[in-house]
Amino acid sequence: GAGVSQTPSNKVTEKGKYVELRCDPISGHTALYWYRQSLGQGPEFLIYFQGTGAADDSGLPNDRFFAVRPEGSVSTLKIQRTERGDSAVYLCASSFGNSGMDTQYFGPGTRLTVL
Amino acid sequence: SQKIEQNSEALNIQEGKTATLTCNYTNYSPAYLQWYRQDPGRGPVFLLLIRENEKEKRKERLKVTFDTTLKQSLFHITASQPADSATYLCALVTSGGSYIPTFGRGTSLIVHP
Repeated sequence: GAGVSQTPSNKVTEKGKYVELRCDPISGHTALYWYRQSLGQGPEFLIYFQGTGAADDSGLPNDRFFAVRPEGSVSTLKIQRTERGDSAVYLCASSFGNSGMDTQYFGPGTRLTVL
Repeated sequence: SQKIEQNSEALNIQEGKTATLTCNYTNYSPAYLQWYRQDPGRGPVFLLLIRENEKEKRKERLKVTFDTTLKQSLFHITASQPADSATYLCALVTSGGSYIPTFGRGTSLIVHP
């Protein structure tokens, strides 16, 4: 079946602009995660959804970052007033549950470049 | 402070040899430890999970050990192949929260034919 998909694959924007990144999880997966990965680093947790609700948003760096998952499937990560330091690969993952034993399946990521 | 350490230098080995990658951690009490593979331009792919009460786990050519006293996990690939060349990430999952994995920076493995 289809894996996790993310669009766009690349996004170039100017400092101060607003961007939206989309994630389509694997069908039937109730848990959805957003991570950010900088060059040479591992993925850094941003936010986790269980169904439609944000179960853990402790990784969001500040209030410029926001994410939604209104119908419990597709999720959108929104970044306001982008800064050059926001440049990174944004990864989405989904899993069937969130027991710690559930395998997370990652998408290919969206490479965000803020000029 | 909490740290997950993976060797930042690439590991270069010859095809057919066993690759051994190390993951050390401090100030964590993980319930699980996971290993992922990541290829350039792709998301991580889950490989193996080992629980805190397990010493060793195997899957085909892969073997993971977990020593909670040393606070270390070793990841072995036997009979390595050039196709095994990738970055390997370890991740710790602690219990009592959202079970969100915390990732190390990964170690690059290069298998030469």
